[in-house]
Amino acid sequence: GENVEQHPSTLSVQEGDSAVIKCTYSDSASNYFPWYKQELGKGPQLIIDIRSNVGEKKDQRIAVTLNKTAKHFSLHITETQPEDSAVYFCAARALYNQGGKLIFGQGTELSVKP
Amino acid sequence: GAVVSQHPSWVICKSGTSVKIECRSLDFQATTMFWYRQFPKQSLMLMATSNEGSKATYEQGVEKDKFLINHASLTLSTLTVTSAHPEDSSFYICSAQKGQAGANVLTFGAGSRLTVL
Repeated sequence: GENVEQHPSTLSVQEGDSAVIKCTYSDSASNYFPWYKQELGKGPQLIIDIRSNVGEKKDQRIAVTLNKTAKHFSLHITETQPEDSAVYFCAARALYNQGGKLIFGQGTELSVKP
Repeated sequence: GAVVSQHPSWVICKSGTSVKIECRSLDFQATTMFWYRQFPKQSLMLMATSNEGSKATYEQGVEKDKFLINHASLTLSTLTVTSAHPEDSSFYICSAQKGQAGANVLTFGAGSRLTVL
């Protein structure tokens, strides 16, 4: 089955700096890679996703890159703000295989200091 | 957009009792729903895949007699924790898929926090 590794587990940055979170996956059949933001006591919220036919996707301050050959993908947040502080999860899914299960990484606790 | 509602958002129960958690897709029909469990400071662990009109598929290590899943309609899946014990205390989160596996994203509910005394 799929295994997703996420690093770092914690990340502290100054407001305005960039933050990068990296994930690797094991199953070459995975073709959908979403990123979620989870605030304390709440469910995960999708912030950006990428499919395997695309190498990069950007949405304002957030971008995701995918390297299919190396099986890794990264989340980039620029101009960080205190409200970006949360736990971020990457995930991988084979949309057409294995019932389409979404497997999560271990999470990264991001702290943005004002 | 797609909205998924979970109820209750939190529940406290005595050891040995059963607790039911509901997951509803409010504005779309969900052929498939997924149930996750999350312990404090940990990731979401997939428990089972719930398909409308058929038996749920459980992940390895998840007791199907302990965690009963019913997906009786295209908008409702329920998770019943039977004979709950303190070690079952956790955050339970569902997600719903609109359409077939090849389509679109999963929408997550806000989670249900279970505390077993």
